[in-house]
Amino acid sequence: TQLLEQSPQFLSIQEGENLTVYCNSSSVFSSLQWYRQEPGEGPVLLVTVVTGGEVKKLKRLTFQFGDARKDSSLHITAAQPGDTGLYLCAGENGTNAGKSTFGDGTTLTVKP
Amino acid sequence: DTGVSQDPRHKITKRGQNVTFRCDPISEHNRLYWYRQTLGQGPEFLTYFQNEAQLEKSRLLSDRFSAERPKGSFSTLEIQRTEQGDSAMYLCASSPRGASWFGYTFGSGTRLTVV
Repeated sequence: TQLLEQSPQFLSIQEGENLTVYCNSSSVFSSLQWYRQEPGEGPVLLVTVVTGGEVKKLKRLTFQFGDARKDSSLHITAAQPGDTGLYLCAGENGTNAGKSTFGDGTTLTVKP
Repeated sequence: DTGVSQDPRHKITKRGQNVTFRCDPISEHNRLYWYRQTLGQGPEFLTYFQNEAQLEKSRLLSDRFSAERPKGSFSTLEIQRTEQGDSAMYLCASSPRGASWFGYTFGSGTRLTVV
């Protein structure tokens, strides 16, 4: 059973469109991170959310942590080809304290 | 500091050979993690260290896998008697103690191909 379920698995959109990807779990997380990974490289940390209901903005990216700290979303406004990549969510909770569990990611392709 | 360094970036080996990968974390980070990632999957936790102490190794995939961090600085991951199923990206990450829940800094990974 995957602790963190990400959806959709694949997303292909045109430049300028908006999109939202999701990270869901039946478990409560003490913190949740979003990473972006390009082919052949390691994941790069985008943001960490720790408080239920928290919203963080990073330029055109908006991250939200669910009130119950079981789910999160990433919204991108006016997507650009440079946003193309694999978006991973990860988190720590009581069953995996001290190390993060990752979802399988959403592969985003933004076409010019 | 140039971030987390992994060496080599790519390794092709014949089945049955032993391989060793090296990771140099950010110098002020005392936690170091090893993950494995296969195509279409997210990173899978293998083991982690706090300084030189290996805090968990139960997720190492078999007794052919071992990791060390002898002086609390760099770490090595060894795979003995490699199998084709070991082909994957091996990722190293580091974080400060007590701040691991803020996220990790990853290296660029070592891509292993077993032929």
